[in-house]
Amino acid sequence: QKEVEQDPGPLSVPEGAIVSLNCTYSNSAFQYFMWYRQYSRKGPELLMYTYSSGNKEDGRFTAQVDKSSKYISLFIRDSQPSDSATYLCAMSVSTGNQFYFGTGTSLTVIP
Amino acid sequence: GAVVSQHPSRVICKSGTSVKIECRSLDFQATTMFWYRQFPKKSLMLMATSNEGSKATYEQGVEKDKFLINHASLTLSTLTVTSAHPEDSSFYICSARDNAEQFFGPGTRLTVL
Repeated sequence: QKEVEQDPGPLSVPEGAIVSLNCTYSNSAFQYFMWYRQYSRKGPELLMYTYSSGNKEDGRFTAQVDKSSKYISLFIRDSQPSDSATYLCAMSVSTGNQFYFGTGTSLTVIP
Repeated sequence: GAVVSQHPSRVICKSGTSVKIECRSLDFQATTMFWYRQFPKKSLMLMATSNEGSKATYEQGVEKDKFLINHASLTLSTLTVTSAHPEDSSFYICSARDNAEQFFGPGTRLTVL
């Protein structure tokens, strides 16, 4: 079983839609959860960072962590064509440990 | 957020030559840097963890004699692909940890002819 599971998509939505991206994981020791956005032929860009359980909001983006279910989500409100990218979830046990990545979900927002 | 740079952004080389890729943390000191490889439409594959002043830790299946990593300072790590072959062609991305967050470089696209 992989440490982190993420549906690769692809996911296509109309502009303005609410997008829900999800990852599940198996290691209950994970404490740090990240979402990255990667445009084609570019390095990943950190979008959201959450420690332990709970919600975090930043503009149109909301990250949720449910440690009891080992499930994390990223919601994008009022999606824009510029949101079209691959979204990667990542998590780690502690600040000194390696990160484990999902495979990434490819998102296309259609104008 | 913190900035990580990579150089070169793109390199084309002949089979059998060696290529060096630099990764720099521009506005913070990173005791740990990571090197990843990414194939088209695939996720990041961790190759090695680079620790300043000590030997890198390689992931299983990654040849340490082929992918030489040096982390000579708190702001610079280098990856040298030795005796490159066409199957080494890939997108190589480094990252650096700033406290609990990890920031990525823009990547280096290596093409071996």
